[in-house]
Amino acid sequence: AQTVTQSQPEMSVQEAETVTLSCTYDTSESDYYLFWYKQPPSRQMILVIRQEAYKQQNATENRFSVNFQKAAKSFSLKISDSQLGDAAMYFCASIPTGTASKLTFGTGTRLQVTL
Amino acid sequence: DGGITQSPKYLFRKEGQNVTLSCEQNLNHDAMYWYRQDPGQGLRLIYYSQIVNDFQKGDIAEGYSVSREKKESFPLTVTSAQKNPTAFYLCASKPPGQGTPLHGYTFGSGTRLTVV
Repeated sequence: AQTVTQSQPEMSVQEAETVTLSCTYDTSESDYYLFWYKQPPSRQMILVIRQEAYKQQNATENRFSVNFQKAAKSFSLKISDSQLGDAAMYFCASIPTGTASKLTFGTGTRLQVTL
Repeated sequence: DGGITQSPKYLFRKEGQNVTLSCEQNLNHDAMYWYRQDPGQGLRLIYYSQIVNDFQKGDIAEGYSVSREKKESFPLTVTSAQKNPTAFYLCASKPPGQGTPLHGYTFGSGTRLTVV
């Protein structure tokens, strides 16, 4: 079984600043993937970034990067140069490899971006 | 363009009624999923289906039913046995492959169900 924990229900950041959203997970699987999804007010789920657990290098997608600490089971998301359009709910999720695997989500962090 | 279509966008149900939420995909994905989203609880898995004519219960299946008669369609019925059905429902699918969900899931735009 997997669990994903997001301990920050809400976060706020000023435009152009950097913010880090926290996520911890627990799994008994040896190989898995980790994701950050963004859900804007439209409620459409958008994949932000993904990390393969067997890769030590942290994933980066433009202004978004992760700090993946496998031993600590931590997977935080850093948003640099925050923009108003970054305001949304952010969900951390994990899934083991395997055809029958299922995505498990955290409870989400609501990010506000202020001027 | 390929994608997942959920309908209706908003749905109102009277107490004691069954309602069916539609989910259709044209992505040729084998696996499909239904999640429920409540404030402060994230997304919780209701049912999922790996292939046609087969489906499994997720973490919160009580009060719900599904069918998978066609690869493209995975409707969810919210029955009168579901005591608190007001929520946002998301349908998702996963590409076929050898167990490498590198691209995560593709999500529909959701259905907001309200009991009146």
